[in-house]
Amino acid sequence: QKEVEQNSGPLSVPEGAIASLNCTYSDRGSQSFFWYRQYSGKSPELIMFIYSNGDKEDGRFTAQLNKASQYVSLLIRDSQPSDSATYLCAVNVDSNYQLIWGAGTKLIIKP
Amino acid sequence: DGGITQSPKYLFRKEGQNVTLSCEQNLNHDAMYWYRQDPGQGLRLIYYSQIVNDFQKGDIAEGYSVSREKKESFPLTVTSAQKNPTAFYLCASTETDFYGYTFGSGTRLTVV
Repeated sequence: QKEVEQNSGPLSVPEGAIASLNCTYSDRGSQSFFWYRQYSGKSPELIMFIYSNGDKEDGRFTAQLNKASQYVSLLIRDSQPSDSATYLCAVNVDSNYQLIWGAGTKLIIKP
Repeated sequence: DGGITQSPKYLFRKEGQNVTLSCEQNLNHDAMYWYRQDPGQGLRLIYYSQIVNDFQKGDIAEGYSVSREKKESFPLTVTSAQKNPTAFYLCASTETDFYGYTFGSGTRLTVV
């Protein structure tokens, strides 16, 4: 059974601090990794994707991938109240563009 | 603007009734997906289609049916056989070079 695990939270972070979200996956053959943000009652929106080991930065967001340890993380710098949402981790494990989804981590940024 | 349109936004179903959720995309994407999301839960795959006139069952296909007669359209029917259909339904699509899924805005289905 291919699985993606996330801590459900909620994770509470003060405004302006760094929020760190983690995700582990079971399939060593996983090829690509995605972070989606989902506001309450809304659909998920893609914020980052990463294919290679290491860090990928986009504005205040940094995705980190470690294939040997089978984890991917998302760092949010200078956290804002508008970052409060559920963050979903998704992993692509085959050539059919199928994604395996984690259950999401609820992030709360406290002013 | 390109995107995925789901309709209606809210839908109410009576016991024993079939209802159809619409999903239309103008992104020229080949692959389309239907997911179900329950409160506090992750996404569960219902059906997916990678090409016109072909579709595959996902993890929770029982009580649902789909069609893919046009590349742009992938409607989902929730049949009376689905005993607990109250959920948030999400349609998504992707292209073959695969930079992740694009989602529609969702349909919230409630049984009354």
